[in-house]
Amino acid sequence: KQEVTQIPAALSVPEGENLVLNCSFTDSAIYNLQWFRQDPGKGLTSLLLIQSSQREQTSGRLNASLDKSSGRSTLYIAASQPGDSATYLCAVGRAAGNKLTFGGGTRVLVKP
Amino acid sequence: GAGVSQSPRYKVAKRGQDVALRCDPISGHVSLFWYQQALGQGPEFLTYFQNEAQLDKSGLPSDRFFAERPEGSVSTLKIQRTQQEDSAVYLCASGYRQLAKNIQYFGAGTRLSVL
Repeated sequence: KQEVTQIPAALSVPEGENLVLNCSFTDSAIYNLQWFRQDPGKGLTSLLLIQSSQREQTSGRLNASLDKSSGRSTLYIAASQPGDSATYLCAVGRAAGNKLTFGGGTRVLVKP
Repeated sequence: GAGVSQSPRYKVAKRGQDVALRCDPISGHVSLFWYQQALGQGPEFLTYFQNEAQLDKSGLPSDRFFAERPEGSVSTLKIQRTQQEDSAVYLCASGYRQLAKNIQYFGAGTRLSVL
C-alpha cells in the first residue's frame, strides 16, 4: 500500500526566504506526482504535476523535483511572500483511474 | 459553471441521521472522485466513477457509505446513520485525460459535522 509522508508538518519563515517542502513515498511505481495548495475552507488548487518520466517541473517561483528511485519529491518556492501562506499537499497517482494518495500536508506561514 | 460545485458547503447532522452530499462536476468530465479529509490530515480516497460506472469503491469506510452517479454527471455521496467519526470535509474532484496526464479539479468541499 502506497504511503506518502510530508515533512515538516508546519513551517514558519520570514518573507523573502526560500521555502523547501519535502514529500516521500514508499512505492516508486507511480504514474505521476502532484503538488497542491489548500487555503482554509477552500478546495485544492493544483500547482505542479510531474509525470513519472520527468525529473522536474517549473512554474514561476515554483519548482518541483522528482526522484522516483529514492521515492522523493521536493517543492521549492523562491522568495516567499505572505500570500504563499497555505497548506501544501503532495499526492501520487497510479495509472489506473489515477486516484490520488495524499501526504498529510505542510502548513506554511510566511511572516511579513 | 466553470468549476466543480459541491453542496451544501456545510452540514450539521445529529448522530444517526442520514445525509446526502452533492457534486456537480465540470461539464464533459468523464472521471469523478470522492475524497474524505479529516481535520489536519490529507484527503483520503473514497470512490471513483468513470461516467456512470463506479470503478473503484475500495476507500469507502463502511457499508453506511454509498455513492452514485446515475447519468454520468452529478454525483451524490450518501452516508447513512451518521457517526461522530464521519465528521470531515468531503471533497469531490472531476477530471479528463489531457495528454494522458489525468488532471483532477477539486471542489471546495462539504464540511460535515456530526453531533
